[in-house]
Order: sequence, then structure tokens, then C-alpha cells
Amino acid sequence: DVKVTQSSRYLVKRTGEKVFLECVQDMDHENMFWYRQDPGLGLRLIYFSYDVKMKEKGDIPEGYSVSREKKERFSLILESASTNQTSMYLCASSLSSGGRDEQYFGPGTRLTVT
Amino acid sequence: GDSVTQMEGPVTLSEEAFLTINCTYTATGYPSLFWYVQYPGEGLQLLLKATKADDKGSNKGFEATYRKETTSFHLEKGSVQVSDSAVYFCAPEEYNFNKFYFGSGTKLNVKP
Repeated sequence: DVKVTQSSRYLVKRTGEKVFLECVQDMDHENMFWYRQDPGLGLRLIYFSYDVKMKEKGDIPEGYSVSREKKERFSLILESASTNQTSMYLCASSLSSGGRDEQYFGPGTRLTVT
Repeated sequence: GDSVTQMEGPVTLSEEAFLTINCTYTATGYPSLFWYVQYPGEGLQLLLKATKADDKGSNKGFEATYRKETTSFHLEKGSVQVSDSAVYFCAPEEYNFNKFYFGSGTKLNVKP
């Protein structure tokens, strides 16, 4: 079974802190994604990556950056956390970029910024 | 750009009732269509998918048919169970590109 793990289930940070969210997948998938999930808004794509060291902006990249130094690991970075970044963050991976492949999701990290 | 409109919830049903959750989309080209489910406290997981017009995806008693003429992919189940209580997301996939557009999600509550 594909497994996508995220470093924390719950995280509380202060405004202005630098925050790292880590995601690891164990199935040699090419693609990795970061979403945030907010009530009434569904999932919104922050960043995605189709290969090591490659990254592309999603729909809401402002205030975030990412890093993919190894194929299995995709990190989301909040350079200076703000209260409007309080949300559930979901990482996902999929096999290839050619389409038609399902995405596999981690359990999510609920981040609270105070 | 591509987008998806999903029936608003919450939807509350009694056990063994019939379920329909509507989903319509706008897209360039011919996307593959997916339904994902999120059980409480978990990430999303694939429920079913259809990759071309008139295809029917099915899993765990749920079904959805790819209707190109109405750009719809409605989710149905003939007899829901309490264990089906979850949030359901409709997600067209950008054509030939593994990028999804997720609906806002529909919460289903099934009462015994």
C-alpha cells in the first residue's frame, strides 16, 4: 500500500515564526502536492512538484514556499506564519504526470497560528 | 479556467436511504473525473473514477457516470450505511495533467 506520512497531526505556532511541514511518500511517486483545506472552500492547491528540485505554483502560493531535495520528501515552508494560515494542510502524491492517476493523501496537519 | 460545482451539504439521511450528490464541472478538453471520500480525522482517499464519456465508476456500492453532454458526474448509492458518513469531494482532473480541481465537499451524515 502507498503510504503518505506527514510530520505532525497538530501544530501550534506563533505569528511570525518560520514553519516547516514535512511529507514523505514511500512508493517512488513522481508527483507531490500540497493543499490547504478550509470549511466551505474545499481543497486548494498551494504548490506541486513533478520531479526532484522542480516546483510549480498552484492556485494560492502566496506566503508559502516548498522544497524537494529528494524524490520521497516534499516540504512546505511558511516563511513568516500569519493567523490567516491557520488551516488543515494535506500532502498528496501520484505516480506520473500523464494524467488519470489517483492522488494518495496523507492524514493532514492541522496548523493553528496564534 | 476549469472549475467544479458540488452540491452543498450537509446531507442527512436515514440508513438504507438512496443517496445522490450532484457534481457539475467546466473544463477544457476531456478530463478524467474522480470522487474522493474523507472519513473523520483522515486524509482523502479515492472512491471511484471514470476516464471517458459514458464510463461508469463504481466502488463500495457507490456509482457515478461520466456525462459529457451535461458535464456532470453525480454520485449515487442505493442504500447508505452509517459507515458512509464522511465528506465527499468531486474532482475533475485537468486534461492530460495530474492536477485536480476539487469541489467544496459534501458532508454526509447517515443516522441509524
